[in-house]
Amino acid sequence: KQEVTQIPAALSVPEGENLVLNCSFTDSAIYNLQWFRQDPGKGLTSLLLIQSSQREQTSGRLNASLDKSSGRSTLYIAASQPGDSATYLCAVLGGSEKLVFGKGTKLTVNP
Amino acid sequence: EPEVTQTPSHQVTQMGQEVILRCVPISNHLYFYWYRQILGQKVEFLVSFYNNEISEKSEIFDDQFSVERPDGSNFTLKIRSTKLEDSAMYFCASTPGNRNYGYTFGSGTRLTVV
Repeated sequence: KQEVTQIPAALSVPEGENLVLNCSFTDSAIYNLQWFRQDPGKGLTSLLLIQSSQREQTSGRLNASLDKSSGRSTLYIAASQPGDSATYLCAVLGGSEKLVFGKGTKLTVNP
Repeated sequence: EPEVTQTPSHQVTQMGQEVILRCVPISNHLYFYWYRQILGQKVEFLVSFYNNEISEKSEIFDDQFSVERPDGSNFTLKIRSTKLEDSAMYFCASTPGNRNYGYTFGSGTRLTVV
């Protein structure tokens, strides 16, 4: 059974800092991995999608990497801003059609 | 950009009552899903729906739950007799059916059972 773990559970940084969020998964037989952003009481906004054959994806100040063999992904956020404050969720798609989510990392960027 | 639309955004219901949560998936998507998130917990899969039938369901999705695509645009989740533990955020999602594309989620319906 696939398990997804995200470390740290919470992170507080000053504005402008570069930061890394970590995601690990137990079963490396995945099709893709998706990073989402969730604001309090809101829906899930897709940030980046990495296919199993890819090593990384970039969108603006965000860069996500994938090491399928070791069951790890990282989300790198450059030059963090207070507007980046949210919970970041990692989810993997395996053999079935369902996504398996981690519990998320709650990020606070202080002005 | 195309969106998945969910209504209502918040619903309060009494224990034992039936509720219907509504979703309009992206028009050219083929797979539809319901997920839920109990406060403070992980987002968890409930059910997937393809070609007018359930393709997969979780242990949570028991006889109290049902899904329907009553017309060409809506996708609904019905809970027949709500329990306190059904209180959660319910998310609808859709995909084109090609794994090269990710999931698009709606903004959710917060269900509170009192």
